[in-house]
Amino acid sequence: ETVLTQSPATLSLSPGERATLSCRASQSVGSYLAWYQQKPGQAPRLLIYDASIRATGIPARFTGSGSGTDFTLTISSLEPEDFAVYYCQQREKFGPGTKVDIK
Amino acid sequence: VQLLQSGADMKKPGATVKISCKVSGYSFTDQYMHWIKQAPGKTLEWMGLVDPKDGEPIYAEEFQGRVTLTADTSTDTAYMELSSLRSEDTAIYYCATGYSTFFFDYWGQGTLLTVSS
Repeated sequence: ETVLTQSPATLSLSPGERATLSCRASQSVGSYLAWYQQKPGQAPRLLIYDASIRATGIPARFTGSGSGTDFTLTISSLEPEDFAVYYCQQREKFGPGTKVDIK
Repeated sequence: VQLLQSGADMKKPGATVKISCKVSGYSFTDQYMHWIKQAPGKTLEWMGLVDPKDGEPIYAEEFQGRVTLTADTSTDTAYMELSSLRSEDTAIYYCATGYSTFFFDYWGQGTLLTVSS
């Protein structure tokens, strides 16, 4: 059973800064990993799938990378609407989430 | 693509709830329908999926025996029934689907279930 861990739990940044979020799997998952963004009161939104492919309509400032057990979601320059919780997911498993909040 | 879920519900412990998810904008039988639980302040928890093509479900071990997932192709609606409710079942429940089996491009708006005596 694959366990996903995310770090940090909270990331406090200012608009315009770069955000780097990490997801680690307890065993190799190849590239079968997705990232979701969730804002309060909303359903999650798919950002990245297959570790590095942006979903339809996702801005280019969101980049996914990694394979095997270590994955990264990078937001190159935070926009006000990017402050949210981010989850990684591998098949039926979700990580605990990283909250990106305003510094 | 739209997934429209039934409204918020409140149940007593021990009761059963059935939540619906009506889809539009794509062929219902082309994609699995998943159900995902999110307890207050917690992460997402996959409950299972149903293949609308043949109604075959797969359940997460955590919910095996208490959850029933079904799909009605005559109305393009998926259902999640959860029995023997307890306070820990208080959560938002989402239906979700996508082009790949476990990547969820589309989500319902969520249904808040409150279990309280």
